[in-house]
Amino acid sequence: AQKITQTQPGMFVQEKEAVTLDCTYDTSDQSYGLFWYKQPSSGEMIFLIYQGSYDEQNATEGRYSLNFQKARKSANLVISASQLGDSAMYFCAMREGHSNNAGNMLTFGGGTRLMVKP
Amino acid sequence: ETGVTQTPRHLVMGMTNKKSLKCEQHLGHNAMYWYKQSAKKPLELMFVYNFKEQTENNSVPSRFSPECPNSSHLFLHLHTLQPEDSALYLCASSQEVGQGFTDTQYFGPGTRLTVL
Repeated sequence: AQKITQTQPGMFVQEKEAVTLDCTYDTSDQSYGLFWYKQPSSGEMIFLIYQGSYDEQNATEGRYSLNFQKARKSANLVISASQLGDSAMYFCAMREGHSNNAGNMLTFGGGTRLMVKP
Repeated sequence: ETGVTQTPRHLVMGMTNKKSLKCEQHLGHNAMYWYKQSAKKPLELMFVYNFKEQTENNSVPSRFSPECPNSSHLFLHLHTLQPEDSALYLCASSQEVGQGFTDTQYFGPGTRLTVL
């Protein structure tokens, strides 16, 4: 089974509106971290936001917030007031905290392509 | 984010060539990674180095050979590649403080490799 699932291959949003990008995950670990990255057409993977499994509050970073629903194993990214520069691929990723994590494994989803319309 | 740099940004090579990809991190991190991103596939971890020691080789063919001479530099040596090895190769680094699931990986801009 896939560990990270992003069900939206592509999405459109009108400039200045908010958009939610979905991410569900699968793990049996109690300790894990969830990350969102943005990848513009230039290729660089840009870190956006982090949510730890023990964090009681949803993470926020500027216009980015993470809607963390632990019981449903979802970690959706919300971008408020979309800008044209937000057009990019967005990846959800997870690091699990099991004791044998010597490999520092970061598992990625398949990504969502967001297109912001002027 | 210019903390992780990669050279070259683009590389075209024949199947019999030998080339190397270079990654340098300026963040003072103690772990470095190579990832492969192929079209229509999720990002795949290839190699991990913690404190200059390789701790992960994710079933990568031997035609890919990593080298980590110090905690700031990471190389990926390429030889006798196949056309299916064409992909974006991304380097990343992180500061591993023991609770791995909290440690963020920061990526470089990638090297887009084409094998003819």
